[in-house]
This record gives sequence, C-alpha cells and structure tokens, in this order.
Amino acid sequence: NAGVTQTPKFQVLKTGQSMTLQCAQDMNHNSMYWYRQDPGMGLRLIYYSASEGTTDKGEVPNGYNVSRLNKREFSLRLESAAPSQTSVYFCASSEGVGYNEKLFFGSGTQLSVL
Amino acid sequence: GENVEQHPSTLSVQEGDSAVIKCTYSDSASNYFPWYKQELGKRPQLIIDIRSNVGEKKDQRIAVTLNKTAKHFSLHITETQPEDSAVYFCAASRGPWDQLIWGAGTKLIIKP
Repeated sequence: NAGVTQTPKFQVLKTGQSMTLQCAQDMNHNSMYWYRQDPGMGLRLIYYSASEGTTDKGEVPNGYNVSRLNKREFSLRLESAAPSQTSVYFCASSEGVGYNEKLFFGSGTQLSVL
Repeated sequence: GENVEQHPSTLSVQEGDSAVIKCTYSDSASNYFPWYKQELGKRPQLIIDIRSNVGEKKDQRIAVTLNKTAKHFSLHITETQPEDSAVYFCAASRGPWDQLIWGAGTKLIIKP
C-alpha cells in the first residue's frame, strides 16, 4: 500500500516549457487535490476533484489544468511555465467527497522555473 | 472569504516544556479545524482535528481547543520531545463544499 505517489520529485523548467505532474493513489479515495506550497504562505489549493470526470477550481488555478483520468489518477499540467510557478507541489487525496476530511499527501514535487 | 492567521511564525521551547500555537479565523460559519505537521522535507500529515460542535479534543500529548465566540483555535503540545520539531499548519473550512483555508505555518524548535 503506497498511499499517494507523485512524480517527478524534482523538475527544472525554462520559462514557456510545459510539463505534467502525475499523481496516483491506491486507497480507493474519492477526492483528490493539487496544492502548491510557497515559503511563508502555507498551502494553497489549485484544483480539486470529487470524482472521475469532475474538477473544481481552487484558490490559485490560473496557469494550470488538471485531468482526473480515473479514480486513482489526477494529473496537473503547466502549459507554459512561468517563474511565478516555482513552488513545491503536493497532491493529496481523501476518502469521502468534500473538503472536511483527513488529507493524505504525496511526497511533493519541487519545481523550479528559470 | 475566509482568512486564517497563525501565530507565532516561529516558536522555540525547551525540551519537556509545553508549546501553544494559535490560529484565528474570520468566518464564523467555519466548522472544521485540522492541524497538520510537516517535518523538514516531508509531506504534511494530519495530527488532530476538531469540529465546531466540540470545544476540546485530546490525543496523548497533543490537544486542540476551539473558542467559537472569539473565532480562534489552538494547538497544545505538552512534554515536548525532539521529534516534535516541525512546521505546524492550521486550517479552517465552512463545510464539505468549501475548501480548506490554511494558516502560514509555525516552525516549532525543540531545544535540548
């Protein structure tokens, strides 16, 4: 039982490049999330998915797209990376539908955009 | 919208002493308040949470108290140990369909 698995762990991009962050959970959870973490700012929600095929924008969705491929997988895509997107990205999942539940986080992706 | 302020940003305590971290929220409709611990380079992990129908919750050396009138909630850690050193985050939500709003974090340092 791996929990929430994110890839890659580290990535360096040049401004304008694109990339996809992958996330998969093996806990049969319904909800999945993408957060970014910046120094001194806590966690900010980028996108949320309550089930396959449904996604909702969070606090900071601009510049990102997501895809809930199936119940296990939730990917985050940066179409044209900008230096402001330099951050640590965490995928998370929770058992039920809705925000008031225990979050299980992946190990994070450290992204630098030059 | 909801805003969560967390204090202090850094807290240094002697091993064995108690530590208290406080969060203030702005929306009186908030009803779910979790605390997460993040060790250096690791993922955040839930350590305790409380809902608005409860005033206090304990789990061994950690406890959370909620004051709905004053709109603040606090994390209490007693008999601190080196492994308590981490960044602690609070969060608040108005309900299952309202996203969690996070505090900026408190770095807890346990001095030997």
